[in-house]
Amino acid sequence: GEDVEQSLFLSVREGDSSVINCTYTDSSSTYLYWYKQEPGAGLQLLTYIFSNMDMKQDQRLTVLLNKKDKHLSLRIADTQTGDSAIYFCAESTSGGSYIPTFGRGTSLIVHP
Amino acid sequence: DAGVIQSPRHEVTEMGQEVTLRCKPISGHDYLFWYRQTMMRGLELLIYFNNNVPIDDSGMPEDRFSAKMPNASFSTLKIQPSEPRDSAVYFCASSLPGTGPGNTIYFGEGSWLTVV
Repeated sequence: GEDVEQSLFLSVREGDSSVINCTYTDSSSTYLYWYKQEPGAGLQLLTYIFSNMDMKQDQRLTVLLNKKDKHLSLRIADTQTGDSAIYFCAESTSGGSYIPTFGRGTSLIVHP
Repeated sequence: DAGVIQSPRHEVTEMGQEVTLRCKPISGHDYLFWYRQTMMRGLELLIYFNNNVPIDDSGMPEDRFSAKMPNASFSTLKIQPSEPRDSAVYFCASSLPGTGPGNTIYFGEGSWLTVV
């Protein structure tokens, strides 16, 4: 199986919360990231969490990490049409020189 | 800074032709990455350089692909000969040493390649 797995699509209504989930296999993962790719553009770092943290909040974004289950989630509160994008989960370890391993990305579609 | 600059942004070429993609990393960044994105395979790391030296090219699909970094401000990814299955978006990215959370990987806008 893949090292980082995500569901491919998520559709939500504007104003609702979105939750994008990710699972990873490397228990020694040190950093976990969420990147955002808007249409026609490259990826941009959205947020990250260190493996000794359970949660990180940044305005409308909440990242939850369950290290036991190797599960990472990104919650976007009050989702807007501008949040429509592909969201990539990634993990890195010191053994991998901290080069992130990316999932395949989740396409978030926000409809009115 | 202008960010990671890639050229061309779009290229359509015929099967068998040589394709050269170019990248200018962010000044001062020691790491340079080439990724390929397709619907089927997602985002794949092809190769990365540290201080102009190729460190890991295990993601390069086959001998038709080659990458060079002659200096700190320029890299190329070459496909010769190109095939329709090479059609993809190719991203160049760069980062500072360590690539920890404080050393974000910055992506270019991508080169959209179509081989017909």
